[in-house]
Amino acid sequence: DQQVKQNSPSLSVQEGRISILNCDYTNSMFDYFLWYKKYPAEGPTFLISISSIKDKNEDGRFTVFLNKSAKHLSLHIVPSQPGDSAVYFCAAKTRGNTPLVFGKGTRLSVIA
Amino acid sequence: DAGVIQSPRHEVTEMGQEVTLRCKLISGHNSLFWYRQTMMRGLELLIYFNNNVPIDDSGMPEDRFSAKMPNASFSTLKIQPSEPRDSAVYFCASSLVGGGDNEQFFGPGTRLTVL
Repeated sequence: DQQVKQNSPSLSVQEGRISILNCDYTNSMFDYFLWYKKYPAEGPTFLISISSIKDKNEDGRFTVFLNKSAKHLSLHIVPSQPGDSAVYFCAAKTRGNTPLVFGKGTRLSVIA
Repeated sequence: DAGVIQSPRHEVTEMGQEVTLRCKLISGHNSLFWYRQTMMRGLELLIYFNNNVPIDDSGMPEDRFSAKMPNASFSTLKIQPSEPRDSAVYFCASSLVGGGDNEQFFGPGTRLTVL
């Protein structure tokens, strides 16, 4: 049973527009949420995170929103750039130094 | 600073052979996670260690899989005997217990193909 779900396997966006990647989770014990970006033949790299006590975290072009009541988070990238084309993984964890539970990823293609 | 180092990057072996994957943590990190990525199941935890002690190995598929930390900065994941269904990309990640951001740093992965 998947605890973290990314229902869109792929997303295509024009350069300069907003990219919105969505993620849903089922485990109420999740305390911290992260987004990782992955290029082919590389490991996932950390992008941005949010604690369950917040509803928004922003870092440059990247913003993560958390809706705890809906158990939903989203990653906004604006403006999107061709270099943002990658697979984006949503991950969640419980309190402490615990493992990440990943969604299956969304492949973002930013078209010039 | 060097990131997490994994070797080999690619491994092709025949069914029944022993496979050993290696991982070097980021200097100063004390927590180590092994994950496996497959098309069907995505990225899943196999086992993790805090301060060289295995904490949770419930993700290890079978007794054919074993993982060790012979020292604080190095880990091995062994599969013996290997089977075609073990074909996947294996990632290790390290972090700092007590570190503020709960962030895990991933290595580049080992792509394993068992024929």
